[in-house]
Amino acid sequence: QKEVEQDPGPLSVPEGAIVSLNCTYSNSAFQYFMWYRQYSRKGPELLMYTYSSGNKEDGRFTAQVDKSSKYISLFIRDSQPSDSATYLCAIPLSGNTGKLIFGQGTTLQVKP
Amino acid sequence: SAVISQKPSRDICQRGTSLTIQCQVDSQVTMMFWYRQQPGQSLTLIATANQGSEATYESGFVIDKFPISRPNLTFSTLTVSNMSPEDSSIYLCSVTTGEAFFGQGTRLTVV
Repeated sequence: QKEVEQDPGPLSVPEGAIVSLNCTYSNSAFQYFMWYRQYSRKGPELLMYTYSSGNKEDGRFTAQVDKSSKYISLFIRDSQPSDSATYLCAIPLSGNTGKLIFGQGTTLQVKP
Repeated sequence: SAVISQKPSRDICQRGTSLTIQCQVDSQVTMMFWYRQQPGQSLTLIATANQGSEATYESGFVIDKFPISRPNLTFSTLTVSNMSPEDSSIYLCSVTTGEAFFGQGTRLTVV
């Protein structure tokens, strides 16, 4: 079993839709959870991070962690064509935020 | 924040040859990280490069195949040695200053 699993998609939605991206993880000791966005031919950039369980909101983006289910989610409200990218969940190893385990990434396309 | 420059941005190489990828950071950092992103796959950590010591490799990666240099606190190189088509990937350099920043990657195709 992979430590972090993510449905690779692809996911195609109309502009304005609510998008739900999800990952599961296997190690209950993980505490920090991150979401990266990667545009085509670019390196990943940090979108959001959360610590432990609960929700964190930043504009149109909400990150959610359910530690009891080992499930993390990223919601995008009012999706825009500029949101079209690959979204990767990531978990740091041993609290070192430079050593990350990534999910496979979900490719999202938002159609105008 | 950190700005990372990688060279080359892409290359097509013959099997059996080696390619050295350069990573330059705009600030001094203790650790630099090298990742591989194979086609359709996620990012996988290759190794951690510390200035003044040997790089630390993750399971499945060895120094003979991926030698790393870290001559100072702003620069590192990763060499992909004796390349085969299976080495065709995007190679990314990363640093952390609380959050991890990535270079734009080097897209390598081995023919």
